[in-house]
Amino acid sequence: SAVISQKPSRDICQRGTSLTIQCQVDSQVTMMFWYRQQPGQSLTLIATANQGSEATYESGFVIDKFPISRPNLTFSTLTVSNMSPEDSSIYLCSVKEGEKLFFGSGTQLSVL
Amino acid sequence: SQQGEEDPQALSIQEGENATMNCSYKTSINNLQWYRQNSGRGLVHLILIRSNEREKHSGRLRVTLDTSKKSSSLLITASRAADTASYFCATDVMDSSYKLIFGSGTRLLVRP
Repeated sequence: SAVISQKPSRDICQRGTSLTIQCQVDSQVTMMFWYRQQPGQSLTLIATANQGSEATYESGFVIDKFPISRPNLTFSTLTVSNMSPEDSSIYLCSVKEGEKLFFGSGTQLSVL
Repeated sequence: SQQGEEDPQALSIQEGENATMNCSYKTSINNLQWYRQNSGRGLVHLILIRSNEREKHSGRLRVTLDTSKKSSSLLITASRAADTASYFCATDVMDSSYKLIFGSGTRLLVRP
């Protein structure tokens, strides 16, 4: 199974700033996903990031707010732009292997 | 958008007892999966049941699926304190692209 390294593990940021979250996988994978988990809530899919194509965003999420890069088959970044306190959440990257998802350990973001 | 609703939202049991969690979903699926999350961090895949299967076992886990009622249940037998976690169902929806949609989750507390 894929091993995923996600960083930073947590951060405290000021409103109006941006944070880039990195996700590194130990094997080449086609499909990577970024999820958001608001406090006490379930996971919501932000976007699907496939190498060589633009990320596909879910309803309610836009590229200007959550730009994603996928430069190769082992790496992706998610940027949370112009942050507000409402962006305080856990952000999780995941990869698809077979029919299952494997997850990074998440980035806990607090925006003041 | 959130596909599944789970109940109960929270469950507290004594070590050694069985824990049952239920998941309902809305649309046709390819398969349904259960994941576990410790302390709001990365999720771990537990078990997958396909749409043409009715029951599946894995160790102390038993999953059932009723596609006519669009519902599933996860049974953990002989629970242990280490089973304390949040449990999420996730549906692989029939769509043109792969997408795993997570339910609302059940927080399980197993008291020693």
